[in-house]
Amino acid sequence: QKEVEQNSGPLSVPEGAIASLNCTYSDRVSQSFFWYRQYSGKSPELIMSIYSNGDKEDGRFTAQLNKASQYVSLLIRDSQPSDSATYLCAVNPTGTASKLTFGTGTRLQVTL
Amino acid sequence: EAGVTQSPTHLIKTRGQQVTLRCSPISGHTSVYWYQQALGLGLQFLLWYDEGEERNRGNFPPRFSGRQFPNYSSELNVNALELEDSALYLCASSLAGGPHNEQFFGPGTRLTVL
Repeated sequence: QKEVEQNSGPLSVPEGAIASLNCTYSDRVSQSFFWYRQYSGKSPELIMSIYSNGDKEDGRFTAQLNKASQYVSLLIRDSQPSDSATYLCAVNPTGTASKLTFGTGTRLQVTL
Repeated sequence: EAGVTQSPTHLIKTRGQQVTLRCSPISGHTSVYWYQQALGLGLQFLLWYDEGEERNRGNFPPRFSGRQFPNYSSELNVNALELEDSALYLCASSLAGGPHNEQFFGPGTRLTVL
């Protein structure tokens, strides 16, 4: 089982819709979780971080964490064509302070 | 505020050669991380430096090494290059080395090994 799993996509949503990106992780005691956006040929850009169960909102983005289910998600409201990118889920596993373990990413396509 | 910077942007080497990549963290950040992103693969953790010391190392052979300087900038050295070392090498920095720290990435160095 991979440490961090994401559906590779592509996930296609129409402009203005809500995009829902999901991530599961294997280490039950992981403490911190991050969402990065990566445009083709570019480096990852941090969008959100979440550490506690529940929702965390920042503009059009909402991160959701459920530690019991080992599940973290990212919702993008009012999706725009500029949101088309690969979204990487990253987890900081307990016992390996500060190293991040990344999923392989979900490619999001926002269509006009 | 300036972000993480890396040099060079692109590099072409041949098998067996050696390469040095450089990274300057965000001002005030003391931790520097190196990751490898090979084509079609996810980001793989290489090395973590904090306060001049190597704190953690990923599952890479010893020919991958590095160091951190007193000004917190860092170098990644790769010896005896192999074709599979072709990848985007990413440097990230953070304020501190704790489990909740946020890591910010530089633009990367794209290494091609022929």
